[in-house]
Formats: sequence, C-alpha cells, structure tokens
Amino acid sequence: QVQLVESGGGVVQPGRSLRLSCAASGFTFSNYAMHWVRQAPGKGLQWVAIIWYDGSNKYYADSVKGRFTISRDNSKNTLYLQMNSLRAEDTAVYYCARLSTNPLTGYLEYYMDVWGKGTTVTVSS
Amino acid sequence: QSALTQPASVSGSPGQSITISCTGTSSDVGGYNYVSWYQQHPGKAPKLMIYDVSNRPSGVSNRFSGSKSGNTASLTISGLQAEDESDYYCSSYTSSYTWVFGGGTKLTVL
Repeated sequence: QVQLVESGGGVVQPGRSLRLSCAASGFTFSNYAMHWVRQAPGKGLQWVAIIWYDGSNKYYADSVKGRFTISRDNSKNTLYLQMNSLRAEDTAVYYCARLSTNPLTGYLEYYMDVWGKGTTVTVSS
Repeated sequence: QSALTQPASVSGSPGQSITISCTGTSSDVGGYNYVSWYQQHPGKAPKLMIYDVSNRPSGVSNRFSGSKSGNTASLTISGLQAEDESDYYCSSYTSSYTWVFGGGTKLTVL
C-alpha cells in the first residue's frame, strides 16, 4: 500500500545539524512532488518545504530558508530534509507528505494526499 | 506567510451540523481555489478530507463538505458522530509554490 515512513529525528543541541529521511513505497515516487510539514508541541501544522518530482525546483518557508535543504534520491525512493543551525523553535514532529498529481493529465495538484506518521525533533541544550 | 485564522474550538451534539471557518487573504484563500482540509486525531498523521475547496477524496464521508466565499473557506460536518471528534486544519496554496495552514480547530462532540 501507499506508505511514507519518516526517520532520523532525535534530540540535538541548538546550532547543530540533523538530517531527516522519508522512505516512500507503494507508488512511483519519482512521479510526485513532496513536502515537509512540521508541528510544534501543542501547535498547528506549519508548511516547511516542497521539492519537485525530479528535484529541479525547491521552495521553502521563510522561517527555514537558508538553514534547511530539501532533497531527494529517486533511485532510493527517499526524501530528505537537512536541517542546519537548529533552534529551539524548530522543535516539532516533522511529517513528509505527497503532493497529489492528476492521474489523467500528470499536472500537479495543490493538496497533500498521503502523509507519513512523523518523526520527532527536539532542539535543546 | 501568516497562518490562516481558524476558531480554536467548536462543539456540537451528535446528529447536529457544525461549520469551521478558515480566514485568509486575497493572497491565499481568496486568490486560489486550492483550499484543503485535514483531520488529525491526537498523535496521528493528518488525513485529507476536502481538496480544491469542495471536493471529497474517495472514502471520505459525504457528511463532510467545503465551501468558500471571498477570503474565508468553511468546512461543514453534518450528522455529527462521535468519531468526528478531532482537530481540523485548513490549508491554502499561496503563491510561488508555498502553502500555509490554519492554526487548527478542536472539534468536540458533546
């Protein structure tokens, strides 16, 4: 079945780095753009970044621009989020999510139709 | 990239209908018909309930419906059931391939 599984979370000190992974299965990963979305403890969802199906385009929320890098390896069906210069306010559950694609036209849609269960990142000294 | 505005909480009795609002600006909700709604039970991943303002994915109950007027989108749940108790988030495409979410609404079924 269609599945996304995040990994790589943990406890990290402020200023340090961490790389998250998202393993995809059950669909043709290379056909889909992918998002990272995060949720701070007790807070709402916050969009983080998106990467095109082929990695050609990447866009970021202002809050992470210049510190986070989204990437993918289509040969490994895996999405990544490299997080540098981490701050306490980056503490959150990080979800990867698939951007839907119209099956008839192949055009990108504008909603997230598949989500992983998330991985927790805690930034604390 | 300011968050969309949702009420913090709404409640209703079984069988009743409730509506959750989601207010943005002409740069997001008002500018595009790309509003989606997600249901999130505690400790679980979000689940898509409505996309493109008013479309339901396969498998989502027709008790869920969406609409939009100007800069405000709405999610309506009719015939409330205990299993609908959850957090609900709206989201909108904004521009230049960025997205924004609402702050979330906790639905309590009395």
